[in-house]
Amino acid sequence: GESVGLHLPTLSVQEGDNSIINCAYSNSASDYFIWYKQESGKGPQFIIDIRSNMDKRQGQRVTVLLNKTVKHLSLQIAATQPGDSAVYFCADGGTYKYIFGTGTRLKVLA
Amino acid sequence: GAVVSQHPSRVICKSGTSVKIECRSLDFQATTMFWYRQFPKQSLMLMATSNEGSKATYEQGVEKDKFLINHASLTLSTLTVTSAHPEDSSFYICSAGTGFGTGELFFGEGSRLTVL
Repeated sequence: GESVGLHLPTLSVQEGDNSIINCAYSNSASDYFIWYKQESGKGPQFIIDIRSNMDKRQGQRVTVLLNKTVKHLSLQIAATQPGDSAVYFCADGGTYKYIFGTGTRLKVLA
Repeated sequence: GAVVSQHPSRVICKSGTSVKIECRSLDFQATTMFWYRQFPKQSLMLMATSNEGSKATYEQGVEKDKFLINHASLTLSTLTVTSAHPEDSSFYICSAGTGFGTGELFFGEGSRLTVL
């Protein structure tokens, strides 16, 4: 069945460094992916999305890379800040119902 | 961006009682809303798809008689947890979108239910 999974449950990064959060998906027909940020006790917040006709998309301090060959996407956060500490989810939005990955907790070290 | 509001944000109830959670799209109309459940340190699990004017579609393993969903208008969906038990304690989150596959879903802030 479909699944979206993350490689690492926790990622600790020094403040100012770049963060890379990975995600694997299994449905080769998936054509739309989204990254969400969830802070403790809050709902998910949209970060960036990407369609399968692209392999890279950039936002403000964030970049999403999509490798359809190996069904992998990543979220890169430049110059990680304390406010980036949260759980990050990738989601397969190819169907009307989004399938969420297990999540990666990003800890920013001062 | 679009705003989705949930109420209440926190609720504590006794076992056996029913609790209603509201999900509103504040600045757009949503023919479809989604209800998720999230246990601590886990991902969001889709419970059901709420369709305006029709019955909700439940995911496998979700009891429709226990989790009643009503989508009476284009801006409001409600989730009622009936005869709540302590194992129903969780974080419930709703979402709505303006066009699936063309933009992101907008999520509510979540409602934390604690059943004593």
